[in-house]
Amino acid sequence: SAVISQKPSRDICQRGTSLTIQCQVDSQVTMMFWYRQQPGQSLTLIATANQGSEATYESGFVIDKFPISRPNLTFSTLTVSNMSPEDSSIYLCSVEPDTGTHYGYTFGSGTRLTVV
Amino acid sequence: GEDVEQSLFLSVREGDSSVINCTYTDSSSTYLYWYKQEPGAGLQLLTYIFSNMDMKQDQRLTVLLNKKDKHLSLRIADTQTGDSAIYFCAESPSNDYKLSFGAGTTVTVRA
Repeated sequence: SAVISQKPSRDICQRGTSLTIQCQVDSQVTMMFWYRQQPGQSLTLIATANQGSEATYESGFVIDKFPISRPNLTFSTLTVSNMSPEDSSIYLCSVEPDTGTHYGYTFGSGTRLTVV
Repeated sequence: GEDVEQSLFLSVREGDSSVINCTYTDSSSTYLYWYKQEPGAGLQLLTYIFSNMDMKQDQRLTVLLNKKDKHLSLRIADTQTGDSAIYFCAESPSNDYKLSFGAGTTVTVRA
């Protein structure tokens, strides 16, 4: 399975500012996923990012608030824009399983964001 | 996403077995997973099972799947203090790579 390096691991940000989270994968993957885990909650999918195309956002998430870049097959960024305290969450990236399988979804270690 | 439900808390004595239960509603769920999240950490894939299987065993972990009742369970034998964590059940259909997660079961192991 792929190994993901996610950073920053945590940050405390002022409201109204933006934070960009990076995920670097040690192998080429077609699909990368961004999830949000609000305090005490489960994981909610924000968007799916494929290289060479616009990210696909889930209901309730919009590109202006969570712009995503996917410049190549090993890297992606998620920006949390114009932050408010309600954006305080853990943000995790994930990559698709090995080709042709449905197991081995790998997750980054997460970015714990606190907005003050 | 599809509904995946879990009980929220489980307390177990060290050395006993833990059983975490999960139900799902998507009849096309083909792949079911158990993830572990320790405090301050990301998600670790523990095990998975395909819908054409009834049981899967991996060392101390046993997964049971009842497709008729759409019920999935994870049994941890000889529970240790290091097993204290949040356990998430997740599912994906065969035609999609999106994962739908349950709310997570917080397992507390007491001495």
